[in-house]
Amino acid sequence: RKEVEQDPGPFNVPEGATVAFNCTYSNSASQSFFWYRQDCRKEPKLLMSVYSSGNEDGRFTAQLNRASQYISLLIRDSKLSDSATYLCVVNVYGQNFVFGPGTRLSVLP
Amino acid sequence: GAVVSQHPSRVICKSGTSVKIECRSLDFQATTMFWYRQFPKQSLMLMATSNEGSKATYEQGVEKDKFLINHASLTLSTLTVTSAHPEDSSFYICSASDRRPVQETQYFGPGTRLLVL
Repeated sequence: RKEVEQDPGPFNVPEGATVAFNCTYSNSASQSFFWYRQDCRKEPKLLMSVYSSGNEDGRFTAQLNRASQYISLLIRDSKLSDSATYLCVVNVYGQNFVFGPGTRLSVLP
Repeated sequence: GAVVSQHPSRVICKSGTSVKIECRSLDFQATTMFWYRQFPKQSLMLMATSNEGSKATYEQGVEKDKFLINHASLTLSTLTVTSAHPEDSSFYICSASDRRPVQETQYFGPGTRLLVL
C-alpha cells in the first residue's frame, strides 16, 4: 500500500463548480498535513496546511480525520486558474515529506 | 516567502556526461535540503535529504554513487548526476527547510529539466 493515496483523477469541472479531493495516508504517526498545487512543468507551491480542526482559506477548505487517516480539500466556486494538479503531502515529525500522486483538475469555461 | 533558486533550469546533455545542479536558498539558512525527482505524469519522489555539513541520506533505490549530493554550506546544495543516461531524464526539484527537525516549512526551487540524449 502506498504511503499517501489520492483520487486518481482527472477531474474536469465547469467554472463555478464545487470539487472535492480525497487523500488517505498509511502512517498513523504522521503529524503534519498539507495541500500543494503544481502547475504543469512547475514546482509545487503550498496551498494550505491542514489542521485537526479543519481550516478554510477563501474558497478552499481542508479537513483532517486522524481516526480514518483521511484528508480532504474542497474548492468552491472553481475558477479557470484553479486548474492544476493537487498534491496531498504528509510529514512525520522530524522526517521527510511524502507526496501523494496528485489529482489533476481542469476547470472548463 | 523564502526564495530558493536552482541552476540550471534546463540542461540537455549526451549520455555519459555528468551534470551538476545547484540549489540555493537566497534569503535564509537552509539546515536541510531535499532533492526530488519527478517523471512525467507522476508525483515527486524524494531522492535524498541533506543536512549541512553531513552526508546525505538516500532513499531506498537511489544510488548514492550515481547521484552525488554535497551540502557544504547553509545556502547551497548540489546534486551531480554522474554518467547520465537517457533514463535519468527527469524534472529534478530541490527544496529547503530552515528548521531541524523538519516541520512545516519547505520551500521549493523552480526545478531543473534534464534531458539526456
